Amino acid sequence: DGGITQSPKYLFRKEGQNVTLSCEQNLNHDAMYWYRQDPGQGLRLIYYSQIVNDFQKGDIAEGYSVSREKKESFPLTVTSAQKNPTAFYLCASSIPRMNTEAFFGQGTRLTVV
Amino acid sequence: EDKVVQSPLSLVVHEGDTVTLNCSYEVTNFRSLLWYKQEKKAPTFLFMLTSSGIEKKSGRLSSILDKKELSSILNITATQTGDSAIYLCAIEYGNKLVFGAGTILRVKS
Repeated sequence: DGGITQSPKYLFRKEGQNVTLSCEQNLNHDAMYWYRQDPGQGLRLIYYSQIVNDFQKGDIAEGYSVSREKKESFPLTVTSAQKNPTAFYLCASSIPRMNTEAFFGQGTRLTVV
Repeated sequence: EDKVVQSPLSLVVHEGDTVTLNCSYEVTNFRSLLWYKQEKKAPTFLFMLTSSGIEKKSGRLSSILDKKELSSILNITATQTGDSAIYLCAIEYGNKLVFGAGTILRVKS
């Protein structure tokens, strides 16, 4: 079955440690996105990528980094520079410029203690 | 600044009520406006709107886009407790998909 897989579902890390969240899709989508969601709020765009080896900063990129070495994969690293990393992280993918909806993974809940 | 603004931010209604959720945006050259429902984890797709004035319906839900007013509404009639969720509006423009802050809807039995 095609879809987007995020792992892990829950992640606990100590303050000051970098952590990488995985996002893999087998939908053959060119575009991939990372969003952050805080309790009771909407989705804020962290990074997005339209093609392999290219990505752009979203609205809240500070303290995060990404790579797009393969079409299927778009991992997000939450660095120690991110001041308030505890949040719910959602990955999405879509076919750009084709007027089709974006599909989401089930999310990773990151808690930094 | 916020490109997509949703209102109200939260809403509590009783079962059977009709609700109207609003989404306004600042971008004029966007490709599509999308509505999603989020209950626990992954948002689920509701509607995609590209043309002004054409209503899209799915059961008790409907949505319409007004490009002149730079806005869209999502209507839910005869609400049920299962409609309780965060409703998210997003616009696709440039190479981005940008969401609003969402409307938290709670339907009381």
